[in-house]
Amino acid sequence: DTAVSQTPKYLVTQMGNDKSIKCEQNLGHDTMYWYKQDSKKFLKIMFSYNNKELIINETVPNRFSPKSPDKAHLNLHINSLELGDSAVYFCASSPQRGGNEQFFGPGTRLTVL
Amino acid sequence: GENVEQHPSTLSVQEGDSAVIKCTYSDSASNYFPWYKQELGKRPQLIIDIRSNVGEKKDQRIAVTLNKTAKHFSLHITETQPEDSAVYFCAARGGSEKLVFGKGMKLTVNP
Repeated sequence: DTAVSQTPKYLVTQMGNDKSIKCEQNLGHDTMYWYKQDSKKFLKIMFSYNNKELIINETVPNRFSPKSPDKAHLNLHINSLELGDSAVYFCASSPQRGGNEQFFGPGTRLTVL
Repeated sequence: GENVEQHPSTLSVQEGDSAVIKCTYSDSASNYFPWYKQELGKRPQLIIDIRSNVGEKKDQRIAVTLNKTAKHFSLHITETQPEDSAVYFCAARGGSEKLVFGKGMKLTVNP
């Protein structure tokens, strides 16, 4: 009955590798988000999709590519990982575009060695 | 774009005291101001929110106030308990639709 789930919970990898993080929500929400939380706890939006359409695309390196196969799923693929990509990545969803409460997933802690 | 400043960055209080966290925002078009609580190792969770047509909102021990003229909003926690210890984030949503978060405040409630 988990509302917003992410896999994996932890990801440790070498510089230069390519990795993906998956997110699923069973709340029936239209809008999903990816946030990055750095070591100083700063929470910053990266992308947002509404019904599979990209609506927010912050100044994120193009090594990061989101993909939404349907409105319940939003995945994040990262190419050529760098040390600075180490962070906790949170997926979130809200009922509609510009919607109010955002429900966060448990986070994926990515460590790049 | 929107910029949200949050003060202080850390706060330590004794159990039973009150705690106040203050935030300012820059975008006069911002209309939604949520507060999230993040316990260590956990996800951020919404604890209270306020919209621009309301000046104050209360939910048990927590309350939020909004001053649109001055572009600042505050979170007040009364009768603090050790389980209130966490990082608290304010956020604002402006014309760009995205939520912009403050840098967070670590609250420690000492028993």
